Amino acid sequence: KNQVEQSPQSLIILEGKNCTLQCNYTVSPFSNLRWYKQDTGRGPVSLTIMTFSENTKSNGRYTATLDADTKQSSLHITASQLSDSASYICVVSAQAGTALIFGKGTTLSVSS
Amino acid sequence: DTAVSQTPKYLVTQMGNDKSIKCEQNLGHDTMYWYKQDSKKFLKIMFSYNNKELIINETVPNRFSPKSPDKAHLNLHINSLELGDSAVYFCASRLTSGHYNEQFFGPGTRLTVL
Repeated sequence: KNQVEQSPQSLIILEGKNCTLQCNYTVSPFSNLRWYKQDTGRGPVSLTIMTFSENTKSNGRYTATLDADTKQSSLHITASQLSDSASYICVVSAQAGTALIFGKGTTLSVSS
Repeated sequence: DTAVSQTPKYLVTQMGNDKSIKCEQNLGHDTMYWYKQDSKKFLKIMFSYNNKELIINETVPNRFSPKSPDKAHLNLHINSLELGDSAVYFCASRLTSGHYNEQFFGPGTRLTVL
């Protein structure tokens, strides 16, 4: 069964600190993996997208890694800001053109 | 200028009523989706339309009926609303030939059934 599991479910950190969010998936065949950021009351916005051959991709202070062998991905946030408070959703595409498989998200709260 | 827009943003209604949510995209995409996000924030696909034809219909009660008058619009009509229908509904779109199966989401419609 195609599944995407994320951990932790929620996380609270102080402003300026770094954090890492985890994503494990069992989707096969694998096409690509993306991380979305969803602010409260808004739709998800794509942060990074990686295919099978890519093992790291950065978008500003966000760096995603992918290990296609172990089927794991992580999203590292550097020097967190209050505006990073949001839900971060890991999404995997089984193959181009099929439905996306969503994780349940990690809720990040950055406090001052 | 909003790429994917939804109306209304908030919808509060009584159980048993019929309501519609509208979605429009101005990105020139040919595939559009409806997702339901429950109170636990889990996004679940409901419908997918490609060039005005239904291509994905997950296990959704037949009280929900999507309608696509053209490639830029995908509306969601809900009959006989139930308490369990309360959720945030997101519309999304993508270009089939685009890279990475990138989907763009609307701002969501928060439906509350009383």
